[in-house]
Amino acid sequence: EDQVTQSPEALRLQEGESSSLNCSYTVSGLRGLFWYRQDPGKGPEFLFTLYSAGEEKEKERLKATLTKKESFLHITAPKPEDSATYLCAVQSDNYGQNFVFGPGTRLSVLP
Amino acid sequence: DGGITQSPKYLFRKEGQNVTLSCEQNLNHDAMYWYRQDPGQGLRLIYYSQIVNDFQKGDIAEGYSVSREKKESFPLTVTSAQKNPTAFYLCASSINRETFFGQGTRLTVV
Repeated sequence: EDQVTQSPEALRLQEGESSSLNCSYTVSGLRGLFWYRQDPGKGPEFLFTLYSAGEEKEKERLKATLTKKESFLHITAPKPEDSATYLCAVQSDNYGQNFVFGPGTRLSVLP
Repeated sequence: DGGITQSPKYLFRKEGQNVTLSCEQNLNHDAMYWYRQDPGQGLRLIYYSQIVNDFQKGDIAEGYSVSREKKESFPLTVTSAQKNPTAFYLCASSINRETFFGQGTRLTVV
């Protein structure tokens, strides 16, 4: 059975304090790993897709990396507006086009 | 503006009632999905549809029903058989591995 875990569950940072969020996965045949941002009471907003180990993608203060067992979302010099829940999801051979989601990491960036 | 529209934003259900959540998309996507989100848990798949007039059960389909009579629309009915329906419901559509979500409907049992 495919599984996705995320750590930490919650993270509080001071503005400008860089850190990383972790997404660990156990799947049969990874087809893609996805990162989403979700604000309270809203739907998830797409950030990145990673397809193979060693791949990296960047967007503003965010950088996503992928290994064979985990992905990291690095946040450089975060600002209060980066506060949100960050969700990780995978697509695998078991589930085809469907996702298996992790529980998310709730990030708070304090001014 | 292209996107996914869910309505209503908030919905209250009495015990024993069926309620229907609306999801409409104008992105011309074939695939549509319904997820349920509970605090501290990942999104869980309720139903999905890859094409009009066809849909499949996801991981937690019991107590729910769907229809897909039009490409643009994928309504979800929460039936009285769903014993714990209070949750945040998200509709999504996808094409070529890009998935877009609506803004969600928060359902509360009163």
